[in-house]
Amino acid sequence: ILNVEQSPQSLHVQEGDSTNFTCSFPSSNFYALHWYRWETAKSPEALFVMTLNGDEKKKGRISATLNTKEGYSYLYIKGSQPEDSATYLCAFVAGGSYIPTFGRGTSLIVHP
Amino acid sequence: ETGVTQSPTHLIKTRGQQVTLRCSSQSGHNTVSWYQQALGQGPQFIFQYYREEENGRGNFPPRFSGLQFPNYSSELNVNALELDDSALYLCASSHLGGDSPLHFGNGTRLTVT
Repeated sequence: ILNVEQSPQSLHVQEGDSTNFTCSFPSSNFYALHWYRWETAKSPEALFVMTLNGDEKKKGRISATLNTKEGYSYLYIKGSQPEDSATYLCAFVAGGSYIPTFGRGTSLIVHP
Repeated sequence: ETGVTQSPTHLIKTRGQQVTLRCSSQSGHNTVSWYQQALGQGPQFIFQYYREEENGRGNFPPRFSGLQFPNYSSELNVNALELDDSALYLCASSHLGGDSPLHFGNGTRLTVT
């Protein structure tokens, strides 16, 4: 059973704050790491798929980094806005199976 | 580009009954995956289908079964429903391979009483 951990479980920030959260995954047999944003009453939406150690991806105010050797990825949101309120899920993909295994997610609430 | 659609949106069933959930894949995708999300948990992988064949299965009993059709739409069938089967069931289509992002539907909320 693959262990994918996300922290913190939930986070409340004020509009304009920058924030970050962590996804921890096995440091062996890495193939890919996915990040998704899941807004209430919508479907999860892919943010990034990362495959290379040291990779950094950016989409607007959201960015992610990847360290496959130590088994973690950070998601950063710069200048949080209320519309960033969502659950952020990461999913680890092991070589051989190629099936994304999800963490429990980090629930972000941005207060105006 | 047509997105992933799931039906029905909500469903209430009685313990012991059978249920079929449906999913239409995004056009151009040949792979469909099903996930179960119970309260407080992350999505748990049920199984994946590629070109009508099961391509991987998670830790779910045989009463969870699936089909993928030639147009890449899919069904999830659950027999002998149990109370613990109450959850949100998510369908996701993609290209084959773990580096292809999943495109999710809005899910089917199943309640077993």
